[in-house]
Amino acid sequence: RKEVEQDPGPFNVPEGATVAFNCTYSNSASQSFFWYRQDCRKEPKLLMSVYSSGNEDGRFTAQLNRASQYISLLIRDSKLSDSATYLCVVTNTGGFKTIFGAGTRLFVKA
Amino acid sequence: NAGVTQTPKFQVLKTGQSMTLQCAQDMNHNSMYWYRQDPGMGLRLIYYSASEGTTDKGEVPNGYNVSRLNKREFSLRLESAAPSQTSVYFCACTSGIQNTQYFGPGTRLTVL
Repeated sequence: RKEVEQDPGPFNVPEGATVAFNCTYSNSASQSFFWYRQDCRKEPKLLMSVYSSGNEDGRFTAQLNRASQYISLLIRDSKLSDSATYLCVVTNTGGFKTIFGAGTRLFVKA
Repeated sequence: NAGVTQTPKFQVLKTGQSMTLQCAQDMNHNSMYWYRQDPGMGLRLIYYSASEGTTDKGEVPNGYNVSRLNKREFSLRLESAAPSQTSVYFCACTSGIQNTQYFGPGTRLTVL
């Protein structure tokens, strides 16, 4: 079983749609959680950190459920420019261990 | 500030050839990482350097060596390239494990 699992997609949605991505992690001792965005043939870039209380950044909302060990990302009012791969990232204590999920691809269509 | 830079951007090698991938950061971050990214696999950690003078193995270190030359530079060496090392290689840095990782633009390596 992978330490961080994501639905690979692709998710194909029309502009304006709301789309949700889920991610599960296996290490209950994981400490920090992030969503990164990666455009085609580019490097990953931080989209947002994920906090236990949930957090929002404009059209993006991230949630963490420690009991169930899953993280979610909600994108409201999708734009064409949201088309990318979204990576779920978890960090664990000791050994500077950061685990990246394989990513979920999103295509937003006009 | 350039952030994180990597050279070269593209490289084609023959099996058995050696090469060094260069990475430099001007963000004054202590920790640096080398990842490889393959389709469907996500990013996998090859080696990391928590601080200048230290290096440690990651998830997939076999076939690679690294050097943390100074605080700014962290190089990755393939001594005898194999087709299984065909991948996209990313260097990253961070000020601390709980903090954001900043990535370079990547090196696309093909081993024939």
